[in-house]
Amino acid sequence: GENVEQHPSTLSVQEGDSAVIKCTYSDSASNYFPWYKQELGKRPQLIIDIRSNVGEKKDQRIAVTLNKTAKHFSLHITETQPEDSAVYFCAVNAGGTSYGKLTFGQGTILTVHP
Amino acid sequence: KAGVTQTPRYLIKTRGQQVTLSCSPISGHRSVSWYQQTPGQGLQFLFEYFSETQRNKGNFPGRFSGRQFSNSRSEMNVSTLELGDSALYLCASSLAGLAGGLNTQYFGPGTRLTVL
Repeated sequence: GENVEQHPSTLSVQEGDSAVIKCTYSDSASNYFPWYKQELGKRPQLIIDIRSNVGEKKDQRIAVTLNKTAKHFSLHITETQPEDSAVYFCAVNAGGTSYGKLTFGQGTILTVHP
Repeated sequence: KAGVTQTPRYLIKTRGQQVTLSCSPISGHRSVSWYQQTPGQGLQFLFEYFSETQRNKGNFPGRFSGRQFSNSRSEMNVSTLELGDSALYLCASSLAGLAGGLNTQYFGPGTRLTVL
């Protein structure tokens, strides 16, 4: 089945610095790559997603890059703020006829120090 | 639009009991996926329903089951509870649950199940 590796597991940065989280996946048929942010005690919230026909997508301070050849994609957060502190999960879909299934990475605990 | 809702938010059960969790998707969304979240295993896919039919199933024992109603609301049931079933159970809804999971999934707040 699909395997998703996410690194690092924890990331500590100073306010204003950039943060980068990387995920690698195994299924070459995967073509949808969302990122979710989960604050303590809250639901996972979609923050950005990318489809395989695009190499990069940006939304204000958040960007995602995709390298389908190498089977990895990364989340970039610039000008980090304390409210960015949360657990971030990458996910990939299963290609083909697999419905409704996302496979998630193990998560990255991001701490932004004021 | 109102977001995905789940009831109850918290449950405490004892081993051997069974439990039913409920999920109401965003209005107009017809696909509901269920996930189990634990500190050790992370987020794991349980199953997906669309138009009252289970279209996909993860690697969980048969004690885990679900169903979907004509209004797209979904329930999941866990029978003969074990200590290891303690987890946050999340449901997520999407518009049509296209093949390959291309539809964006929106999560509910989850049901925190504790098995004693």
